[in-house]
Amino acid sequence: QSVLTQPPSVSAAPGQTVTISCSGSSSNIGNNYVSWYQQLPGTAPKLLIYANNQRPSGIPDRFSGSKSGTSATLGITGLQTGDEADYYCGTWDSSLSAGVFGGGTKLTVL
Amino acid sequence: EVQLLESGGGLVQPGGSLRLSCAASGFTFSSSAMTWVRQAPGKGLEWVASIIDSGGSTYYANSVKGRFTISRDNSKNTLFLQMNSLRVEDTAIYYCAKGGIGLAQGVDPWGQGTLVTVSS
Repeated sequence: QSVLTQPPSVSAAPGQTVTISCSGSSSNIGNNYVSWYQQLPGTAPKLLIYANNQRPSGIPDRFSGSKSGTSATLGITGLQTGDEADYYCGTWDSSLSAGVFGGGTKLTVL
Repeated sequence: EVQLLESGGGLVQPGGSLRLSCAASGFTFSSSAMTWVRQAPGKGLEWVASIIDSGGSTYYANSVKGRFTISRDNSKNTLFLQMNSLRVEDTAIYYCAKGGIGLAQGVDPWGQGTLVTVSS
């Protein structure tokens, strides 16, 4: 059971918009930075969003992040088949003094 | 270009030990926190351990505390993970990554990973 809760799967058609939620608590999301990672099949994870809502250079602006209270959200607009991947949120948990990831969300672009 | 290259994975019996290495290049290694993350077959990401830039502070997941030790050699731009008393459930791909999961910049980039299999 992950400390951060994500939906196991989401799906949408090409061109559509999807959001992936990440729910935590005041000891993790509520008081720490959230980052998001994309893992394409058979590859290492890649940073998509850092500091809650910042995109690294090279990440398209179709990807966005937000945080409100003890929850964070990853948004993807203009879905492409190449976006099919597993997506993970991550942060620090101050009570555990440990890093934590969500269980991951599998995105299917129908 | 930032590069992280893990090595040292392999097959080990339960109760055995293994030492993973991560050779870093393309950035000032001695100024960066570093992290190990693992992924069991078909499962999600699990944070394992992190170390600050100087090596003066380390942090561990409860699942590995007391068995694993993260360390670094800033003179050789290398990160290590000493794994003792290995269990079947430690079987996973182990990724080395630059940064810290709780830091503003997140964890980026990640190495290609090295597979550790614990089995009799």
